[in-house]
Amino acid sequence: GIQVEQSPPDLILQEGANSTLRCNFSDSVNNLQWFHQNPWGQLINLFYIPSGTKQNGRLSATTVATERYSLLYISSSQTTDSGVYFCAVAEGAQKLVFGQGTRLTINP
Amino acid sequence: EPEVTQTPSHQVTQMGQEVILRCVPISNHLYFYWYRQILGQKVEFLVSFYNNEISEKSEIFDDQFSVERPDGSNFTLKIRSTKLEDSAMYFCASSVSPFSYGYTFGSGTRLTVV
Repeated sequence: GIQVEQSPPDLILQEGANSTLRCNFSDSVNNLQWFHQNPWGQLINLFYIPSGTKQNGRLSATTVATERYSLLYISSSQTTDSGVYFCAVAEGAQKLVFGQGTRLTINP
Repeated sequence: EPEVTQTPSHQVTQMGQEVILRCVPISNHLYFYWYRQILGQKVEFLVSFYNNEISEKSEIFDDQFSVERPDGSNFTLKIRSTKLEDSAMYFCASSVSPFSYGYTFGSGTRLTVV
């Protein structure tokens, strides 16, 4: 099945810093999403981005489908950005395959 | 923005008991899913449901598990004879079209088996 790898596994930054999270996948996909899992365990959908670039406030994402990777950018980090960021891709018609996640810690 | 609603948010059950986790998908969505996340691990697919039947299931989804859409709004996951290793966060998700719009996840039910 399709493999999803995220890097780095852990990232610790000071408030105000910028960060780039990477997601590599092993096969062509028709769906890619980025999620933020907050400290309460909730999965918050950030982007649906099978290709191209999207921006939402301080967050933006780019997927280069032909090269099988996606990047999530967080600018001017805030402590509320802390949590685990998951990339997930659709395999076949029905299910999402999740990466292991990047744990982001933003210190004040 | 429409939400996927899951209840309860947290359930504690005795080993061997049956539990039913409930989900109300977004009203115009046609595809429904259950995922689970064991503490500290990644999110894993359990089952997908479309047109009132299971369309795909993982090897985790054995005879202990079942899903049902008892009416036009609810989607349930039943776990029979719970085991300690069933302790996890269970997420419901729905989609109007997974190829075009992605999936919307609920807030999850944290199941603790004691």
